[in-house]
Amino acid sequence: ETGVTQSPTHLIKTRGQQVTLRCSSQSGHNTVSWYQQALGQGPQFIFQYYREEENGRGNFPPRFSGLQFPNYSSELNVNALELDDSALYLCASSLEAPAYEQYFGPGTRLTVT
Amino acid sequence: KNEVEQSPQNLTAQEGEFITINCSYSVGISALHWLQQHPGGGIVSLFMLSSGKKKHGRLIATINIQEKHSSLHITASHPRDSAVYICAVSPYSGGGADGLTFGKGTHLIIQP
Repeated sequence: ETGVTQSPTHLIKTRGQQVTLRCSSQSGHNTVSWYQQALGQGPQFIFQYYREEENGRGNFPPRFSGLQFPNYSSELNVNALELDDSALYLCASSLEAPAYEQYFGPGTRLTVT
Repeated sequence: KNEVEQSPQNLTAQEGEFITINCSYSVGISALHWLQQHPGGGIVSLFMLSSGKKKHGRLIATINIQEKHSSLHITASHPRDSAVYICAVSPYSGGGADGLTFGKGTHLIIQP
């Protein structure tokens, strides 16, 4: 059984650019959630995908978008990067809804300059 | 929207001490999660509970649904327990896919 993986580990982008972060879910998990964690803060929910459909979204603007693929891997896309987007981005997979145990990836550290 | 409060924010203790971290939330939930985050970012799920008490090794988690309160205890603490401990709650399953709501975390340092 493979765990949750994320790529890349670290990323540096310039304000205004676009970025794609990737997550590979734990085997057999069909639900993935993405979170943003600013330095010194708890993670904030961005959105959740279930069986390739977005089925929940936190308080993030539309320039944060995502995809989930048939193999349940997923992407987080952020357009028009802002300095405040600098954070650790975490994905977590679960068997169904978030009421099930969440398995977190190691995160992608994004720095926007 | 659920508000999740943790206390203390920072805790420094000596090796061997009994540690308690508290978490309170404002709205009914379907489950509460205790998570551990080490420097570098990786998060590990320690417990998920919706009632009563769970124990794993030196870690014990309890929850009181009526009082909307949970505690995480560490017995015989060890320097390797040093980490950030985060409480997170899941909404009711009928409330839509809102993801987890997290507390800000408790930064624990265990000194030898």
